[in-house]
Amino acid sequence: GENVEQHPSTLSVQEGDSAVIKCTYSDSASNYFPWYKQELGKRPQLIIDIRSNVGEKKDQRIAVTLNKTAKHFSLHITETQPEDSAVYFCAASTGSGGYQKVTFGTGTKLQVIP
Amino acid sequence: GAVVSQHPSWVICKSGTSVKIECRSLDFQATTMFWYRQFPKQSLMLMATSNEGSKATYEQGVEKDKFLINHASLTLSTLTVTSAHPEDSSFYICSAMTGTGGSYEQYFGPGTRLTVT
Repeated sequence: GENVEQHPSTLSVQEGDSAVIKCTYSDSASNYFPWYKQELGKRPQLIIDIRSNVGEKKDQRIAVTLNKTAKHFSLHITETQPEDSAVYFCAASTGSGGYQKVTFGTGTKLQVIP
Repeated sequence: GAVVSQHPSWVICKSGTSVKIECRSLDFQATTMFWYRQFPKQSLMLMATSNEGSKATYEQGVEKDKFLINHASLTLSTLTVTSAHPEDSSFYICSAMTGTGGSYEQYFGPGTRLTVT
C-alpha cells in the first residue's frame, strides 16, 4: 500500500520567514496530493492541493511543488504569520471517483514565533 | 459550500456500551465518505471507506464487527463503536468526497471525541 513520509515533524520559524515541509510517497499511481492545516482540536482544513499533471501551484503565500519522478512534494509558506501556527498534514491519494484512498503523512507542527 | 457535519461532537460512555456517530454532507451529495481515527498529536489513520449503498471497505487491522459503518444515503454515513472499551477512546473524524471525473476534494467533519470510562 501507499506510504507517505513527512518531514520535519516540528518546525519553528521567525515571523516573516519561509517554512518548507516535505513529503515523499511510494505509490506511483497516486494522482492527487492535498495539504491540510489542523489547529488544535479542530478539523483538518484543505489549504492547497495539486494533481499529478501539474508541477507547481501557488495560492497567495502558499505554494506546492510536485516531482512525480522522485515521488516527492513540498509545501512552501512564505512571509509566515503567527496564525500559520498549526499542524500540517500532507496526503497522497490514489484512485478516482468513488474509489479514492487517501494516505496521510505523519504531520508537521509549525510554530511561527512573533 | 461543501460543509460536513458530525454528531455528536463529544460523547462519554461506559465500557461495554455502543456509541453511534453520524456524518452528514449538508450541501452536497457524497458517494464516498471516509472514517478516520486520530490519537493525540498523531496523524489521521484511515479506518474505512464507505460508499453509498455498499459495504464499507475496512483498512487492515480495523475490526469491522466492532466498528460498524452504514452509508444509508448520499448524505449520511454512520459509525457505530460496539462494546466500547477505554482503548477505543479517541478523536473520530469523518470526511466526504465531492467532485466529478478527475476533479474531487475531500472535506472533513469537525470530529467526535469519544471517551470510554
